[in-house]
Amino acid sequence: KAGVTQTPRYLIKTRGQQVTLSCSPISGHRSVSWYQQTPGQGLQFLFEYFSETQRNKGNFPGRFSGRQFSNSRSEMNVSTLELGDSALYLCASSLSVPGNYGYTFGSGTRLTVV
Amino acid sequence: AQSVTQLGSHVSVSEGALVLLRCNYSSSVPPYLFWYVQYPNQGLQLLLKYTTGATLVKGINGFEAEFKKSETSFHLTKPSAHMSDAAEYFCAVSVRDDKIIFGKGTRLHILP
Repeated sequence: KAGVTQTPRYLIKTRGQQVTLSCSPISGHRSVSWYQQTPGQGLQFLFEYFSETQRNKGNFPGRFSGRQFSNSRSEMNVSTLELGDSALYLCASSLSVPGNYGYTFGSGTRLTVV
Repeated sequence: AQSVTQLGSHVSVSEGALVLLRCNYSSSVPPYLFWYVQYPNQGLQLLLKYTTGATLVKGINGFEAEFKKSETSFHLTKPSAHMSDAAEYFCAVSVRDDKIIFGKGTRLHILP
């Protein structure tokens, strides 16, 4: 079966712009989580959605937002981009609660802010 | 709150030698523990996980890990390293019905 699909794979944006990243989970997975990965900070949890509801949220500013649709697909949005937002953004899906089942990760979206 | 510490951001071993990547966790309730591997320009792939039951967990690619509650550890081992094992490895912890917290990762280098 298809894995977790993230689009686009690469993005270059200018400081101050906004960006939307997309994630399609594995069929049947209802939980989608987002992580930011940078060399200095490692994997930082952004948020988790389950059945269209945000179930968990990390310590990121309000410029970072997300949503989940009825088909479990998820998007995350970053507004007013800053240079420090340059990172690999990883989406991960889980059958139900991630802590109980573990994640399947997508290949990520590499965002570069210039 | 849960946390995980990976000892050593870089580990080098010779091809054919034992691989040992160290992970210690902190949790006030019984933890669920995971090891993931990440190859360049890819997402993370689950190697193995411990939830309950047998404390020695076998994973893919010949890796295994042992949950030691008394030492709050979940070290990852492989008897004989291959060049293809060169990657970054992440230990992670969660508790029932909660999110997963990742360590900062250990980059494994395999020397020919």
